Amino acid sequence: EVQLVESGGGLIQPGGSLRLSCAASGFTVSSNYMSWVRQAPRKGLEWVSVIYSSGSKYYADSVKGRFTISKDNSKNILYLQLNSLRAEDTAVYYCARGSCSESTCYTFDYWGQGTLVTVSS
Amino acid sequence: DIQMTQSPSSLSASVGDRVTITCRASQSISSYLNWYQQKPGRAPKLLIYAASSFQSGVPSRFGGSGSGTDFNLTISSLQPEDSATYYCQQSYSTPLTFGGGTKVEIK
Repeated sequence: EVQLVESGGGLIQPGGSLRLSCAASGFTVSSNYMSWVRQAPRKGLEWVSVIYSSGSKYYADSVKGRFTISKDNSKNILYLQLNSLRAEDTAVYYCARGSCSESTCYTFDYWGQGTLVTVSS
Repeated sequence: DIQMTQSPSSLSASVGDRVTITCRASQSISSYLNWYQQKPGRAPKLLIYAASSFQSGVPSRFGGSGSGTDFNLTISSLQPEDSATYYCQQSYSTPLTFGGGTKVEIK
């Protein structure tokens, strides 16, 4: 059974750092496109970052230079390092597996339950 | 960046009604369009991928159509458990983008 479990969220002051983890089971992170998607309170979904099976990484402009996506293939865990946090980064952060079909691997077929990051002084 | 515009932002319909949600892309995305359902406090769930393909386990009352820039999600006979917010997402290119969401309520 495919499962994604996020952790690492919490209350953090502006300018602070946090590392989110997403533990995967039932498939291997190494062979899939993996993304982070966030949702601010009472708002819509916003894609944050993707890491390809090759290791290539892409980011939304809103987080470029501040957030870093990575993965540990041996532990089957996806990470998101959040630096220089701002109030507008407050959101539930979901990890999601990208499923491939018709030459795209950007369809999110499995999602974690999410972890809440609150940036506030 | 590809902008995704959904309409309406909310709707209220009765059980058994046919409901259609529209999603428009700011440029052609061929059939690289997915639909998700999200219930309060839950993660989104994939319903339709590649504009019209059903994800496993999704009830047949859900259907997707369209290509290019205009897409529809149709619920043929609305059920109480369909009360949720629905999002479209383009899977054509990064940055990946979502529509603003359509909240569906049951009268």
